[in-house]
Amino acid sequence: KQEVTQIPAALSVPEGENLVLNCSFTDSAIYNLQWFRQDPGKGLTSLLLIQSSQREQTSGRLNASLDKSSGRSTLYIAASQPGDSATYLCAVRADSNYQLIWGAGTKLIIKP
Amino acid sequence: DVKVTQSSRYLVKRTGEKVFLECVQDMDHENMFWYRQDPGLGLRLIYFSYDVKMKEKGDIPEGYSVSREKKERFSLILESASTNQTSMYLCASSPHGTGGYNEQFFGPGTRLTVL
Repeated sequence: KQEVTQIPAALSVPEGENLVLNCSFTDSAIYNLQWFRQDPGKGLTSLLLIQSSQREQTSGRLNASLDKSSGRSTLYIAASQPGDSATYLCAVRADSNYQLIWGAGTKLIIKP
Repeated sequence: DVKVTQSSRYLVKRTGEKVFLECVQDMDHENMFWYRQDPGLGLRLIYFSYDVKMKEKGDIPEGYSVSREKKERFSLILESASTNQTSMYLCASSPHGTGGYNEQFFGPGTRLTVL
C-alpha cells in the first residue's frame, strides 16, 4: 500500500534563505506527484505537477524534483519570503483511478 | 485559469438536518472529488466521480452521498448531519489527462459546523 511521508512536520527559517521540503513515497510505481500550498483556513493551491517520466518542474522561485527509484521528491524554494509561509503538501497518483495519496504536510514559517 | 467554486465558505447546521454542499468547476474536467480535512487527520477522500452520473466511494463515505447530474457540478449530501461531521470540506477537479497529466485543482473550502 502506497504511503507518503513529509518530514519535517514544521520548519521555521529566516527570510531570504533557500530551503528544501521533502516528500517520500513507498512505491515507485506512480503516475505523477503534485505539490500544493495551503494557507490557514483556505483551500489548496496547486504549485507543481511532475509526471512520472519527468525529473523536475520549475515555476518562478519553486523547483520540484522527482526521483522515482528512491521514492523521493523535493520542493526547493529560493530566496524565501514571509508570504511563502503556509503548509505545503505533496500527493502522488498511484493508480488508474485518479485518486491521490496524501502526505501530512510541512508547515513552513518564514520569519521577517 | 481553472476555477472551482463552492456554494458556501461557512455553514452552520443543526444535528439531523439534511445538508447540501455544492461544487462547480468551469474547466470541463471529467473528475471531481470531495474531501474533508481535520486537524491531525489530514485530507481524507469521501467520494469521487470520474464522469457524469458516475460515483465511487473514497476512504470515508459513511454518512454521505453525492450527486453528479451535470459535468460541471458535484454535490455532497449529508443525509442527517451529526456533530462528528463538523469539518472543512474541500472540492477538487481534474481532467482525465494523458501521460499522467491530471493536475487536481481545489475550491476555497466550506467550513461546516454541526451543532
